Amino acid sequence: DAGVTQSPTHLIKTRGQQVTLRCSPKSGHDTVSWYQQALGQGPQFIFQYYEEEERQRGNFPDRFSGHQFPNYSSELNVNALLLGDSALYLCASSLPGQGSLDYGYTFGSGTRLTVV
Amino acid sequence: AQSVTQLGSHVSVSEGALVLLRCNYSSSVPPYLFWYVQYPNQGLQLLLKYTTGATLVKGINGFEAEFKKSETSFHLTKPSAHMSDAAEYFCAVSKAAGNKLTFGGGTRVLVKP
Repeated sequence: DAGVTQSPTHLIKTRGQQVTLRCSPKSGHDTVSWYQQALGQGPQFIFQYYEEEERQRGNFPDRFSGHQFPNYSSELNVNALLLGDSALYLCASSLPGQGSLDYGYTFGSGTRLTVV
Repeated sequence: AQSVTQLGSHVSVSEGALVLLRCNYSSSVPPYLFWYVQYPNQGLQLLLKYTTGATLVKGINGFEAEFKKSETSFHLTKPSAHMSDAAEYFCAVSKAAGNKLTFGGGTRVLVKP
């Protein structure tokens, strides 16, 4: 059973450019969340997608946007890259629903983005 | 707003010794609590979680954690450290199933032979 798959694994971009990161959720999961993990810090929530809509959003600027496709895969887009956007971007998938006894997130290995 | 504080950004233990990682949380509602482990250049792996019920939670790799509401704590322990336990550990809180996770800053564990 494949877990969460993210691509690419590493990426180098120049300031001002745009980047797209991709995520395929674990089989059977239909909710995808994105997190940013700066070096030496804990992950910070960017947003969550369910049924192709953004359901929750963290404190990130509008330069960060996303999309979820009918097959539940997701993309994270970042425009006008800044040096401070350099981080590990983690995708996590989960089952929906309040009160699920199986509640929990499955994380991918991440995409390491370096902005130069 | 929810928050998580992990006391100690680095912990060094000897192989075979007790591992104790501290986590305190702030939440306006009964929390869901998690511990994740991250090995170098990898994503996060769930060690254990508390949602409801028994306050002592057992996880993978011999780890366990106890939810103490009165102390707003969810400390992680393992009786005997193994070299393979060297990693970074994150405590996280969520206010509901399916809700976002709020992470602490992490504790890096070094295991000495």
